[in-house]
Amino acid sequence: KNQVEQSPQSLIILEGKNCTLQCNYTVSPFSNLRWYKQDTGRGPVSLTIMTFSENTKSNGRYTATLDADTKQSSLHITASQLSDSASYICVPSSGGSYIPTFGRGTSLIVHP
Amino acid sequence: DAGVIQSPRHEVTEMGQEVTLRCKPISGHDYLFWYRQTMMRGLELLIYFNNNVPIDDSGMPEDRFSAKMPNASFSTLKIQPSEPRDSAVYFCASSFWDRPGGPGELFFGEGSRLTVL
Repeated sequence: KNQVEQSPQSLIILEGKNCTLQCNYTVSPFSNLRWYKQDTGRGPVSLTIMTFSENTKSNGRYTATLDADTKQSSLHITASQLSDSASYICVPSSGGSYIPTFGRGTSLIVHP
Repeated sequence: DAGVIQSPRHEVTEMGQEVTLRCKPISGHDYLFWYRQTMMRGLELLIYFNNNVPIDDSGMPEDRFSAKMPNASFSTLKIQPSEPRDSAVYFCASSFWDRPGGPGELFFGEGSRLTVL
């Protein structure tokens, strides 16, 4: 069964600080992995997509990494802002059904 | 495009009542997903459609839940009879076919928050 484990479950940081969120997955065969951001009371929105051949991809202050061999991904947020307060969800897709598997997410709170 | 549109945004009902949630996907998308989100279980896939045909409904909790997609621009998720444990936020998402196959990025609606008393 495809599974996704994210850590930490929740995180509180001060505005301006950096943080890194972790994701371990067991999806096989692997197709791609997306990170979604979900603001409170809203639906998730895709931040970035990683394919098998990509190790690092940046989207502004967000940088995602992927190690397909160890089935790990991370999302690094630089110079955090109050608007970064949200849940960040790791979503790998298998090469079989291509249907994404959603993790439980990491809840990030950025304090002023 | 207006994005994925869901209605109602909030629904409060009493146990035993029928609940119908509605979704209008993004025009041109050929995948439609229904998810349920709770604090305990996160986002759970209930059912998804491809070209209006239900492909996988193994996530539907029980016979009280049913979903239809009569055309490419409309889908419903029905709960009859509703129970307090059905209280959750229900999301609809749509996507397009993406090479090498399967759905690409999922575009979510704002969700329907259901409370069953």
